Amino acid sequence: GNSVTQMEGPVTLSEEAFLTINCTYTATGYPSLFWYVQYPGEGLQLLLKATKADDKGSNKGFEATYRKETTSFHLEKGSVQVSDSAVYFCALSAHMEYGNKLVFGAGTILRVKS
Amino acid sequence: NAGVTQTPKFRVLKTGQSMTLLCAQDMNHEYMYWYRQDPGMGLRLIHYSVGEGTTAKGEVPDGYNVSRLKKQNFLLGLESAAPSQTSVYFCASSRRAGALYFGPGTRLTVT
Repeated sequence: GNSVTQMEGPVTLSEEAFLTINCTYTATGYPSLFWYVQYPGEGLQLLLKATKADDKGSNKGFEATYRKETTSFHLEKGSVQVSDSAVYFCALSAHMEYGNKLVFGAGTILRVKS
Repeated sequence: NAGVTQTPKFRVLKTGQSMTLLCAQDMNHEYMYWYRQDPGMGLRLIHYSVGEGTTAKGEVPDGYNVSRLKKQNFLLGLESAAPSQTSVYFCASSRRAGALYFGPGTRLTVT
């Protein structure tokens, strides 16, 4: 079946540190991959996406590369800020009887200290 | 352009009571979804709709019903609430096979 596994958190970093949040997936076919971010008290917002192998999604200094050979989509940022503190969800699109749905990982809490 | 809105934001129910959560989107999206979010479990799909008048079950549909009478609205109903339905409920919408846009969530507590 389809599933997404993320590294467990919380991840605690100092401001300007390098961030990596690991994400691996299991899927039939070649799904699109997504990272969503959830700030406290809010809904999920799309952060970036990649639709095929070797694509790199990027937004707001965050990047992730679709690696088919390792079935991974790790999220990286070179220098985190306090404002990046949030919960990050990796997700893949999976085909349903009608249309597609997103299958989410459990989420990784990121805390950035000044 | 409000995006996806949800009503209410918070609700407390007693076991056995019923309620309806309303989701509205103004992006003319065909697809709409209801997810629930529980600690350590990510988001799980309850029901979804691929167009007006069409709904289908997701991963955890038991205890919930939905209706999509208008393209812009997607209602989630709980006929007889149980404590296991305490959760945060998110509505989302999308174009066909596109990224999902989420509402701000409804926090439901069943006592």
